Amino acid sequence: EIVMTQSPATLSVSPGEGATLSCRASQSISSNLAWYQQRPGQAPRLLIYGASSRATGLPARFSGSGSGTEFTLTISSLQSEDFAVYFCQQYNNWPRTFGQGTKVEIK
Amino acid sequence: EVQLLESGGGLVQPGESLGLSCAASGFTFSSSVLSWVRQAPGKGLECVSSINEDGGITVYADSVKGRFTISRDNSENTLSLQMNSLRAEDTAVYYCAKTGPHGQRYFQIWGQGTLVTVSS
Repeated sequence: EIVMTQSPATLSVSPGEGATLSCRASQSISSNLAWYQQRPGQAPRLLIYGASSRATGLPARFSGSGSGTEFTLTISSLQSEDFAVYFCQQYNNWPRTFGQGTKVEIK
Repeated sequence: EVQLLESGGGLVQPGESLGLSCAASGFTFSSSVLSWVRQAPGKGLECVSSINEDGGITVYADSVKGRFTISRDNSENTLSLQMNSLRAEDTAVYYCAKTGPHGQRYFQIWGQGTLVTVSS
């Protein structure tokens, strides 16, 4: 099973500032990496797939990068609606596995 | 509008069974790989099972193998999860999810989830 490790666990950011979230895979997953956002009480929502492709309608302030084992989600200029938990997920192998999540909170 | 709507959650005792359903609309159901993903209270996400387009291929997480059965009815646009021998650790919100197009196995669309509580 591929283990996905996210860092940091919590990120405190002021509105308008940028945030960088990291995700590491225990073995190479090529670019088969997705990012999801989950707001309290809601289902996860797809943000990024293929490590860097934005989902339909996603604002350009969200961007993804990386390949192999190291990946990054960058949010430039955080808006109020961006404060949430973010999960990465590999879909290179079964079982599909998720990171434990990074909570982006208001500083 | 693409939509997934889960139902069937509830409170059951350890060892009992429960069946979940997911009604789909707004996309070509028979051409989509579908999955069940669960989230224990305050915890992360776990993909417990997936099924291919015609139902001929199913996969399960080790944690549920032999206890859960995924199935689909392409004539009714419905995905199901039969859960037997339930344990306390199966307590979670269960989401139905549609994977991306062209064989891309990320979870493109999610339902709102249904809560399963296993407790005596």
